[in-house]
Amino acid sequence: DGGITQSPKYLFRKEGQNVTLSCEQNLNHDAMYWYRQDPGQGLRLIYYSQIVNDFQKGDIAEGYSVSREKKESFPLTVTSAQKNPTAFYLCATYRMAGELFFGEGSRLTVL
Amino acid sequence: AQTVTQSQPEMSVQEAETVTLSCTYDTSENNYYLFWYKQPPSRQMILVIRQEAYKQQNATENRFSVNFQKAAKSFSLKISDSQLGDTAMYFCAFKTDSWGKFQFGAGTQVVVTP
Repeated sequence: DGGITQSPKYLFRKEGQNVTLSCEQNLNHDAMYWYRQDPGQGLRLIYYSQIVNDFQKGDIAEGYSVSREKKESFPLTVTSAQKNPTAFYLCATYRMAGELFFGEGSRLTVL
Repeated sequence: AQTVTQSQPEMSVQEAETVTLSCTYDTSENNYYLFWYKQPPSRQMILVIRQEAYKQQNATENRFSVNFQKAAKSFSLKISDSQLGDTAMYFCAFKTDSWGKFQFGAGTQVVVTP
C-alpha cells in the first residue's frame, strides 16, 4: 500500500541536541511538506520541497533544516537553535491538483 | 498574503443533529482549491472534502457538504446526522492553483455528544 511513514512516533531530546525526524513516501508525489502543530493552533509550515534537491522555507523555518536528496525522502532536523521545539510534527505529500496526504506524525518533547 | 480564518474554536452537537463550521479566506487569486481536513484523537489528518474554486456546484461527500460562496470568500462545512466518530478537530485549508504552500486555519474542535 502507498503511504507516508514518519519515524520515530515519539522522540525525546535534551536541550542543546539536534534531532532528525524521518519522512519517507512511496506515493511517487513530487512535493513534500513539514508542518508543526501546537495546541490551539493550526498547522504551520516549516519547509516544503517541490522537487529533488530543492526546498523553500515556510513560515517558521528558523531553527530547522531539511534535505531532499531523493524523491522518497524529506528528513527534518530540529537544531539546538530552535527555542521551543516541543510540538507535534506532520509530514505531508502533494500531487498536482490533488490534496495533501499526511503521515501519522512525530511527537517531539524536549526534556 | 493569503489567510484562512476559522472563527469557532469549539462546537458541540448531539448525535443525529447537524452542525455547520465556518471558514473564510482571503486571496487575490482566481484559481484555488479549498479543503476540509479532520484530525481525530489519533491525530491522523484525513481529508473530508475538497472544492475547486472554478466549480460553482458545492461539493458533497456522504454526510459532509460545503457551502462555497466565492464572492464572499466563505467555505463552510456542514456535518449532517452527526455521529460520535465525527468528534475531531476540523481544519479548513486553502491552496492556489500554482505550486506552493497550503494555508491552514486554526481549527474548530467538534464534540459529538450522545
